[in-house]
Amino acid sequence: DAEITQSPRHKITETGRQVTLACHQTWNHNNMFWYRQDLGHGLRLIHYSYGVQDTNKGEVSDGYSVSRSNTEDLPLTLESAASSQTSVYFCASSESNGPEAFFGQGTRLTVV
Amino acid sequence: GNSVTQMEGPVTLSEEAFLTINCTYTATGYPSLFWYVQYPGEGLQLLLKATKADDKGSNKGFEATYRKETTSFHLEKGSVQVSDSAVYFCALRLQGAQKLVFGQGTRLTINP
Repeated sequence: DAEITQSPRHKITETGRQVTLACHQTWNHNNMFWYRQDLGHGLRLIHYSYGVQDTNKGEVSDGYSVSRSNTEDLPLTLESAASSQTSVYFCASSESNGPEAFFGQGTRLTVV
Repeated sequence: GNSVTQMEGPVTLSEEAFLTINCTYTATGYPSLFWYVQYPGEGLQLLLKATKADDKGSNKGFEATYRKETTSFHLEKGSVQVSDSAVYFCALRLQGAQKLVFGQGTRLTINP
């Protein structure tokens, strides 16, 4: 069965370190998204991609970057982790103009 | 801008009670509307959707009707179960767009 997987599921890192969260989907979807989930804010869009070599900033993109070198993967990098980036991160994918987005199980990141 | 507003949680009900979770939106044009559910420790999954005014989405006993005149998409269930305990997110997607805009989420707890 096709799926979308995130790794790691849990990560603790120190302030100032670079961290990369992985997202891999086997749906062959063109669209991929990264959200962060924080209490009181719901899900906020960080970055998204509509295809290989395409990346776009979402509403909370400062301090984050992504790259899309193939269809299956959209890694999210925190250039210099800050305590404000402690959150749960969700990756999602969807077909172009498809009716539904599919979500990974999330990565809980703690920055100490 | 485009936004989704959900009723504040948490919501606690007894088993077999009637459930309503309010959702209103602000958007240009004619968005598609969605309810996603997040069970403990999992990612989001699509519960139901509606793509045009007066459409009713339904799944697992849950229903929501797209009301353009009141810009609402309230989630209802006639008799909730303990297994319905989860966080529920209302979301919209603009016509021709790929991104989802989420509300803040409503945590629902059902007591036996």
